[in-house]
Amino acid sequence: QKEVEQDPGPLSVPEGAIVSLNCTYSNSAFQYFMWYRQYSRKGPELLMYTYSSGNKEDGRFTAQVDKSSKYISLFIRDSQPSDSATYLCAMSARGSQGNLIFGKGTKLSVKP
Amino acid sequence: SQTIHQWPATLVQPVGSPLSLECTVEGTSNPNLYWYRQAAGRGLQLLFYSVGIGQISSEVPQNLSASRPQDRQFILSSKKLLLSDSGFYLCAWSVLAGGDEQYFGPGTRLTVT
Repeated sequence: QKEVEQDPGPLSVPEGAIVSLNCTYSNSAFQYFMWYRQYSRKGPELLMYTYSSGNKEDGRFTAQVDKSSKYISLFIRDSQPSDSATYLCAMSARGSQGNLIFGKGTKLSVKP
Repeated sequence: SQTIHQWPATLVQPVGSPLSLECTVEGTSNPNLYWYRQAAGRGLQLLFYSVGIGQISSEVPQNLSASRPQDRQFILSSKKLLLSDSGFYLCAWSVLAGGDEQYFGPGTRLTVT
């Protein structure tokens, strides 16, 4: 079993839709969770960072962590064509010196 | 604010040639530094990380090496490139004593022919 599983998509939605992106993990030591957005041929950009179970909201983005189920989600409200990108989840354990474990990414396309 | 630079942006090199990719960070001190490779369909692979000058940890055995000659400079090298070295190389930094979030540079796209 891989440490982090992420559905690669591609996921295509109409503009204005609510998007749900998900990752599951197997290592119960993971305590820090991140979502990155990566546009084509660019470096990943940190979107959200959280270390506790529950929801964290930032504008149209909400990150959700359920440690009991080892499941994290990123919700995008009122999706825009500019949200079209690959979304990567990442996580790490305490004391790992920042060694992140990444999902393979979900490619999202928002159609006007 | 902190910025991270990588160069060159793109590179086409023949098999067997040497490689040197450079990464520099501005606006922070004593960062952790990382080299990743991203190949199509394979996600991000951590190659090296460094917690200080001259301190390099290798995650994957290969024909690549890394060096950190200055606090905010990280170099990825190879003496002889292989076809399998093609990919998108990303440098990242994180706060040494902070959380684990990492910030990525713009990347170098390497094609070995």
